[in-house]
Amino acid sequence: NAGVMQNPRHLVRRRGQEARLRCSPMKGHSHVYWYRQLPEEGLKFMVYLQKENIIDESGMPKERFSAEFPKEGPSILRIQQVVRGDSAAYFCASSPSGTSGNTIYFGEGSWLTVV
Amino acid sequence: AQTVTQSQPEMSVQDAETVTLSCTYDTSENNYYLFWYKQPPSRQMILVIRQEAYKQQNATENRFSVNFQKAAKSFSLKISDSQLGDTAMYFCAFMKRFGGAQKLVFGQGTRLTINP
Repeated sequence: NAGVMQNPRHLVRRRGQEARLRCSPMKGHSHVYWYRQLPEEGLKFMVYLQKENIIDESGMPKERFSAEFPKEGPSILRIQQVVRGDSAAYFCASSPSGTSGNTIYFGEGSWLTVV
Repeated sequence: AQTVTQSQPEMSVQDAETVTLSCTYDTSENNYYLFWYKQPPSRQMILVIRQEAYKQQNATENRFSVNFQKAAKSFSLKISDSQLGDTAMYFCAFMKRFGGAQKLVFGQGTRLTINP
């Protein structure tokens, strides 16, 4: 049973370009979460999605960032017009349901570097 | 809002020793979960141990155990017989039990080094 799959693992973008990070949850999981880890910091919640629905996006920056989890295919975190401050590790996680306390399984992260 | 504080940025011990990592949190919730995650140099987030706040008994997973003091809002991690493979960043995290998304709130982390 494959774990949470993220790609790309490493992404380099020039300032002003777009970054797209993909996440396939564990098999049987319909809930996806995105977290961001800045250098030398803990993870910070960004967004929580179910299939075709954004449940909680309270941690998403108001501009340039968007997320989706379509009926078919992986979840996508999109960052438009990237800036140097967007350089971070972006972790996707999944769980079988939204019931609190379920173990959340993390992917290996996608490292975005903006040059 | 909940906050999680890890007051030890770095710790270092010899292998086979016991080490305790500190974590305190602030919440007005009565029902919640607490977690310790490990992030080795590979950077993957690995769940180490999980505690349900409504359970009195401290959680244990092999060499890993917690000291959960609910009144003091303290949740420390003890690693017994430490091994070189335990070298990692360790993050304490909080999650509400009810009322909302499964949102983990993480501390800043403690970098643990196990020396041979």
